[in-house]
Amino acid sequence: SQQGEEDPQALSIQEGENATMNCSYKTSINNLQWYRQNSGRGLVHLILIRSNEREKHSGRLRVTLDTSKKSSSLLITASRAADTASYFCATVGGYQKVTFGTGTKLQVIP
Amino acid sequence: DAGITQSPRHKVTETGTPVTLRCHQTENHRYMYWYRQDPGHGLRLIHYSYGVKDTDKGEVSDGYSVSRSKTEDFLLTLESATSSQTSVYFCAISGQGVHTEAFFGQGTRLTVV
Repeated sequence: SQQGEEDPQALSIQEGENATMNCSYKTSINNLQWYRQNSGRGLVHLILIRSNEREKHSGRLRVTLDTSKKSSSLLITASRAADTASYFCATVGGYQKVTFGTGTKLQVIP
Repeated sequence: DAGITQSPRHKVTETGTPVTLRCHQTENHRYMYWYRQDPGHGLRLIHYSYGVKDTDKGEVSDGYSVSRSKTEDFLLTLESATSSQTSVYFCAISGQGVHTEAFFGQGTRLTVV
């Protein structure tokens, strides 16, 4: 089974609203990363949070990490139509093994 | 884009034939990965490499083998292709250091008929 699972699987919001995606994982990690994938394209890195960090910000992105619950969340504030994409969490363990969750498909309606 | 090239980008092959996908990088990164992406499953790790000739299995390694004889190339071989291996395959690389991001290739769409 996969290391990470995301929730919800799909999310549809109006432009300007905030979008929150959650990720749960199973094993210990060195860091957790979030990626974005536009349809038919490769993944693009968004943000990385280390296992000893609890919160991190980058522009309109806010990531939290709770290692005791083995969970993370990604918040996109003031969403735009261009944010429409699939979002994946990835956990990084020993030997830089990178495993991905199942993804959240976000649709932002103009 | 990071210097990653996957080849071929598209391939149709017959059941039972061997297939090799190539990932080539120009970044001199230590780590390389092969994933497959299927609807409802996200990205699943097939194999990865943490150095030349150093590889390990991922979540879905059955039916796949890999080789890395030099830093820049990571080959994924489907020993005897099956229809269940129809998928989009992504290669990724990441550099030295614990807290580094991964960079992805554009993907290879493989259809096994």
